[in-house]
Amino acid sequence: EVQLEESGGGLVKPGGSLRLSCAASGFTFSSYSMNWVRQAPGKGLEWVSSIGSNNNYIYYADSVKGRFTTSRDNAKNSLSLQMNSLRDEDTGVYYCATRATPTRWGQGTLVIVSS
Amino acid sequence: DIQMTQSPSTRSAAVGDRVTITCQASQDIKSFLNWYQQKPGKAPRLLIYDASHLEAGVPSRFSGSGSGTNFTFTISSLHPEDIATYYCQQYANLVDTFGQGTRLEV
Repeated sequence: EVQLEESGGGLVKPGGSLRLSCAASGFTFSSYSMNWVRQAPGKGLEWVSSIGSNNNYIYYADSVKGRFTTSRDNAKNSLSLQMNSLRDEDTGVYYCATRATPTRWGQGTLVIVSS
Repeated sequence: DIQMTQSPSTRSAAVGDRVTITCQASQDIKSFLNWYQQKPGKAPRLLIYDASHLEAGVPSRFSGSGSGTNFTFTISSLHPEDIATYYCQQYANLVDTFGQGTRLEV
């Protein structure tokens, strides 16, 4: 069974940094591209970043470009999102998901950016 | 980037109603479209993938159709547990986008 578990969320001050992780199991992680998706409180879903199965591409939403960095370690079945220069508007639940058909999602981790 | 226009944003419906939600893509996405259901405090649940394929374990009252730029999601007979927010998502290229969501209410 495919399982994705996000971790690393928490409370951080504006301008601070946070690193999210996504632990994958139950499938051949190295064969799949991955997404980060977020959801601000009371708002819709927003795609944040995608990364190819072998780091062959990485894309970011304009709202996070230059501040967030996506990476993966296929040997450890792990996906990461390094978030720097955090803003209030980065507050929300962050999900990792497979770019597969059908897709699979984790349960999310909450990030709160507040002074 | 591909824009997804989802409508309506809110839909009032009664148990037993047939409910239809639409998503329009700003360019041809073939059939690279998912539909999700989301309840408060929960992760999105995949219902339909590749525009019309029912995810395993999802009741058959849910269906999807369309290709190219116009897509439809239908609940044939609304159950009380279907009250939720629904999203479409295109994955035709390497940058995904979501519709704005449709909140179903009784």
